[in-house]
Amino acid sequence: DVKVTQSSRYLVKRTGEKVFLECVQDMDHENMFWYRQDPGLGLRLIYFSYDVKMKEKGDIPEGYSVSREKKERFSLILESASTNQTSMYLCASTIEDLTDQPQHFGDGTRLSIL
Amino acid sequence: GDSVTQMEGPVTLSEEAFLTINCTYTATGYPSLFWYVQYPGEGLQLLLKATKADDKGSNKGFEATYRKETTSFHLEKGSVQVSDSAVYFCALSGEAGTALIFGKGTTLSVSS
Repeated sequence: DVKVTQSSRYLVKRTGEKVFLECVQDMDHENMFWYRQDPGLGLRLIYFSYDVKMKEKGDIPEGYSVSREKKERFSLILESASTNQTSMYLCASTIEDLTDQPQHFGDGTRLSIL
Repeated sequence: GDSVTQMEGPVTLSEEAFLTINCTYTATGYPSLFWYVQYPGEGLQLLLKATKADDKGSNKGFEATYRKETTSFHLEKGSVQVSDSAVYFCALSGEAGTALIFGKGTTLSVSS
């Protein structure tokens, strides 16, 4: 089975801090994704990456950046955390270029910004 | 652009009741369609999928049929259990190599 591991289940940070959320997958998947999940809004795509050192903006990239130095690891960075970034963050991965393949998700990181 | 619309919840049912969660989509081309489930405190898990028109996906007693003529992919289960309480997301695949497009999710609550 594919395993997508997010480094923290719960995280509490303060406004203005630089925050790193880490995600690792063990199936050599090319594509990796970061979403945030908020009540009533569903999942919204922040960034995705289709290869090492490659990234594409999703629907809500403002206030975030990403890093993919190795194929298995995709990091989400909150440059200067703000309270409106309090949310559940979900990482996912999938194999390249096969639209009938599902995305595999981690268990999520619930981030609170105080 | 492509989009997914699913019925708003919450849906509240008694154990052994019949479940339908509606999902319709707008897409160019021929997307694959998915249902994901999220149990409390967990990430999303794939529940079932269908990759072409008239395909039926099924898993754990849940079923959904890819209806191109009505652009729908409704989720059904004949007899729900308390353990089915979760949030259900309908999704479609975009272009190759891009992210899935999700509906907003439907919360199901089943009581004994």
